[in-house]
Amino acid sequence: GNSVTQMEGPVTLSEEAFLTINCTYTATGYPSLFWYVQYPGEGLQLLLKATKADDKGSNKGFEATYRKETTSFHLEKGSVQVSDSAVYFCALVTGNQFYFGTGTSLTVIP
Amino acid sequence: KAGVTQTPRYLIKTRGQQVTLSCSPISGHRSVSWYQQTPGQGLQFLFEYFSETQRNKGNFPGRFSGRQFSNSRSEMNVSTLELGDSALYLCASSMTSGKETQYFGPGTRLLVL
Repeated sequence: GNSVTQMEGPVTLSEEAFLTINCTYTATGYPSLFWYVQYPGEGLQLLLKATKADDKGSNKGFEATYRKETTSFHLEKGSVQVSDSAVYFCALVTGNQFYFGTGTSLTVIP
Repeated sequence: KAGVTQTPRYLIKTRGQQVTLSCSPISGHRSVSWYQQTPGQGLQFLFEYFSETQRNKGNFPGRFSGRQFSNSRSEMNVSTLELGDSALYLCASSMTSGKETQYFGPGTRLLVL
C-alpha cells in the first residue's frame, strides 16, 4: 500500500543549527511529494513540493530532493531560526489521495 | 484570493449529540478533503468530495458523513458523538482531484464531553 514514514520527534535544535528531517515513502505509480508545516493553533501550510524524480523543492531556506532510488524526500535547512518551531509533515499523493506522515515536532531554542 | 475557511473554529458537545462542520474552499477549487487530527493518531483521511460526489473514503465508521454543494462548499457531520471524536478537523481544497497541492483551512477544534 501507500504510506509515508517520518523520523520521530520531538527534535530540539539551537538557533543556526543544521536541520534534517527524514522521510521515506512507499507508493504505487508516480507520486508527488510534499512537505507541510503546522504552526501552533493553525492548519497545515504547504512548505515545498516535488512532482518527479530528482526534482528539488525549496522554500524559505528549506529544501528536499525527490529520490526515487531510495524512496526518500528528506527535509533540510542549513540554519534554523526560532520561528521555524512547528510540526512538519511529509506527504505524498497518488491515485487522487493524499497520505501523510505522523509529523515531526521541531523546537528551536535561542 | 481568500483561503480555505472553516466554521465554527471551536465547538464543545456532549456524548450522543451530533455536529456539523462547514468548509468553504478557495474560489475555483472543486475538490474538498476532510481530515481528523489527534495527538495519538496524527492526520487521518476522512473523505474527499469532487463536484458533489464522494471520490475517496477513509477508514471511519458510518457516523462520519459528508456532502458537497454545487458551489463546492462542503459539510461534514458526525452523529452520536463519542469522547474519542475530540480532535482537530481539517478541511483542504484543491483545484481538481489528483496530484494537485492541497490548501488547508485553520481547522475546527471539537471537544466532546
